[in-house]
Amino acid sequence: GAGVSQSPSNKVTEKGKDVELRCDPISGHTALYWYRQSLGQGLEFLIYFQGNSAPDKSGLPSDRFSAERTGGSVSTLTIQRTQQEDSAVYLCASSPDRGPYEQYFGPGTRLTVT
Amino acid sequence: SQQGEEDPQALSIQEGENATMNCSYKTSINNLQWYRQNSGRGLVHLILIRSNEREKHSGRLRVTLDTSKKSSSLLITASRAADTASYFCATGLRGAQKLVFGQGTRLTINP
Repeated sequence: GAGVSQSPSNKVTEKGKDVELRCDPISGHTALYWYRQSLGQGLEFLIYFQGNSAPDKSGLPSDRFSAERTGGSVSTLTIQRTQQEDSAVYLCASSPDRGPYEQYFGPGTRLTVT
Repeated sequence: SQQGEEDPQALSIQEGENATMNCSYKTSINNLQWYRQNSGRGLVHLILIRSNEREKHSGRLRVTLDTSKKSSSLLITASRAADTASYFCATGLRGAQKLVFGQGTRLTINP
């Protein structure tokens, strides 16, 4: 079946502009996660959605970052007033609602802020 | 601070040799998972070991878990050039669905 998809695959934006990154999880997966990965680094957790529960936003680095998940499926990560330090690969993953919660990752969006 | 830390940060071996990567963590876990990442893009799940298991095999992969030492190891036997990638451990914490990833080990297999 179809895996997790993300768009765009690459995004170049000017400092100060807003960007939206999209994630389509695997159909039926109730959990959706956003991570950020800087060059050569590990994954930094950003936000986690589980069904209709309030999202876990504990990883968002600043109030310029927000995310929503519409209809329990597609999610959009929005970064307002982008800064150069926002440049990274943004990864989305989804998992089913039953443990042990193996995560299925999308190919990522590479964001470059100039 | 990071929950999971991999060791070594980078490993370079000859094709056919075995590769061993280690992961240490700090708090009690429900399970520990290993992922592979090629070319800095999406991660692929390799193997999961639950907190009540000590060893698990999948093909050329062997994972061990020592909860008393809060550590895990990933062994790749008879390595191939295609195994060149970054490998991450991720811990599933008790009572939580999200995973906490380590910084990864960059593995290079030389032909």
